[in-house]
Amino acid sequence: KNQVEQSPQSLIILEGKNCTLQCNYTVSPFSNLRWYKQDTGRGPVSLTIMTFSENTKSNGRYTATLDADTKQSSLHITASQLSDSASYICVVSARYGGATNKLIFGTGTLLAVQP
Amino acid sequence: DAGITQSPRYKITETGRQVTLMCHQTWSHSYMFWYRQDLGHGLRLIYYSAAADITDKGEVPDGYVVSRSKTENFPLTLESATRSQTSVYFCASSELVGRGNEQYFGPGTRLTVT
Repeated sequence: KNQVEQSPQSLIILEGKNCTLQCNYTVSPFSNLRWYKQDTGRGPVSLTIMTFSENTKSNGRYTATLDADTKQSSLHITASQLSDSASYICVVSARYGGATNKLIFGTGTLLAVQP
Repeated sequence: DAGITQSPRYKITETGRQVTLMCHQTWSHSYMFWYRQDLGHGLRLIYYSAAADITDKGEVPDGYVVSRSKTENFPLTLESATRSQTSVYFCASSELVGRGNEQYFGPGTRLTVT
């Protein structure tokens, strides 16, 4: 069964600190892995997309890693800011025939950055 | 640059009523999607559309109907709302579905069925 599991479920850190969020997946055949940020009351916004051959990708203070062998990904946030408070969702794309890919969403990690 | 919009943003309705949630995108993206988001679940695909007049079921289509007469609009209708359809609904669009193609999400509609 295609699944995406994230940990921790929630996390509280102090402003300025770093943190790492984890994502484990059992999705086949794998196409790509995405990290989204979802602010309260808003839709998800993409942070990074990584394909099988990419093992790291950065977007400002966000750095995602992918280990396709162990089927694990992490999202590292550096020097956290209050605006980083949000839910972070790991999404894995399964490749099907033709142009259709299926997205499997994790349940997210809720991050709270406190002053 | 309006992007993708949803209306209404909030809706309260009664069990058995018909409700339509609207989605509009200004990018002329080919693909559009409807998801629902519930506590303890990741976003789940309800229906998607590859182009005008082409729609297909997702993971949880029961109780929902969609149409796509124009590329930019993708309304979702609950024909007879039930309490289990209380959720936050997100519309998304993308140019192509495939390797690396991005889905852009709307702001969501919070629907409560009493």
